Amino acid sequence: GQNIDQPTEMTATEGAIVQINCTYQTSGFNGLFWYQQHAGEAPTFLSYNVLDGLEEKGRFSSFLSRSKGYSYLLLKELQMKDSASYLCAVRGGSNDYKLSFGAGTTVTVRA
Amino acid sequence: SAVISQKPSRDICQRGTSLTIQCQVDSQVTMMFWYRQQPGQSLTLIATANQGSEATYESGFVIDKFPISRPNLTFSTLTVSNMSPEDSSIYLCSVGGDRTQYFGPGTRLTVL
Repeated sequence: GQNIDQPTEMTATEGAIVQINCTYQTSGFNGLFWYQQHAGEAPTFLSYNVLDGLEEKGRFSSFLSRSKGYSYLLLKELQMKDSASYLCAVRGGSNDYKLSFGAGTTVTVRA
Repeated sequence: SAVISQKPSRDICQRGTSLTIQCQVDSQVTMMFWYRQQPGQSLTLIATANQGSEATYESGFVIDKFPISRPNLTFSTLTVSNMSPEDSSIYLCSVGGDRTQYFGPGTRLTVL
């Protein structure tokens, strides 16, 4: 089975940094995705990690440790528009692309 | 990146009826996926739609309730049959590659 855990809510101040953790226990691993989802909209792809280490994309970075079953998404220089739900998703098999999602972390950015 | 469109974007339906949702991709893809997102919840995979073969359903989802068609490499439909209020959700089509997975804009379904 798949078990993916992330915090339910986080609050931070505009301009600050927030780190969203995700731990997973899955049968097979072939990559971890982070998505951003604003209320009423579809998820937007943010990042993909399949090897250990840090991937940086502008204000967003994502880290993966496969041995620990752990990832985090780092959001720097927070802006009000970053208020959204952030979804951690794991791709389990090597030959299928289906994703198992965590429950999502709602990030609220305050002025 | 793939551009995915879905029709309808939203609908309000009566219980006992059926609704077919269309998903169109701007490029040929081997696998298409249908997900459901119930109010306040995360995404749950319904099935994988493969061209030329029957869809593969996840535990808890059956073909009689959610029949899927995949007539070619750019198009798929999901039908929500004999609807009840519990089927009120957002239904999302998705396509994936080696390092990416994209979602369509979703179909917001309300069943009265």
